[in-house]
Amino acid sequence: EVQLVESGGGLVQPGGSLRLSCAASGFTFSTYWMNWVRQAPGKGLEWVANIKQDGSDKNYINSVNGRFSISRDNAKNSLYLQMDSLRAEDTAVYYCAGGAGYLIDSWGQGTLVTVSS
Amino acid sequence: DIVMTQSPDSLAVSLGERATINCKSSQSLLSRSNNRNYLAWYQQKPGQPPKFLISWASTRESGVPDRFSGSGSGTDFTLTISSLQAEDVALYYCLQYYGAPLTFGGGTKVEIK
Repeated sequence: EVQLVESGGGLVQPGGSLRLSCAASGFTFSTYWMNWVRQAPGKGLEWVANIKQDGSDKNYINSVNGRFSISRDNAKNSLYLQMDSLRAEDTAVYYCAGGAGYLIDSWGQGTLVTVSS
Repeated sequence: DIVMTQSPDSLAVSLGERATINCKSSQSLLSRSNNRNYLAWYQQKPGQPPKFLISWASTRESGVPDRFSGSGSGTDFTLTISSLQAEDVALYYCLQYYGAPLTFGGGTKVEIK
């Protein structure tokens, strides 16, 4: 059974940084594209970034480009999201998600990031 | 970026009746190389992550009840719940995975009338 477990969320001040982690198990992590998807309180789903199986290709939405960095460690079956220069509008539940190619077929439970002074 | 427009925003359907959700993309999601539509559907209940229902516009994920079906091609897609059950009350989202950035529809809330 695929399991994705996020950690690292919390309260951070505007302009601050946070690093999210996702621990994967139950599947061959190195064969999946991996993604971060977020959901602001009471809002819809918003894809944030993805990374190719070997880490050689990464994509971001415009609003986080240059502030967020996605990475992975296949030896540790782990996905990361380094978030810098955080803004109030980055407040959301962040989901780790993965699948074959760009298709997303597996989701974690999410971790809440709150950006507030 | 590909814009995904879902309609309606919400709908109320009687138990046992049909629910239909539409999703329109700003450009074709049909690949000429493999003749597949890069469109997926998800169900999300309060306090839970999304649940994967359908890929390639019409391929139901294993374990998803057959009352859920997807159809459409190119830019126009539909998710149909043929006989609404109480447990189907949820938000439903479409996702295009044709290209980055991936984009979701705004969501459709399905309720019992």
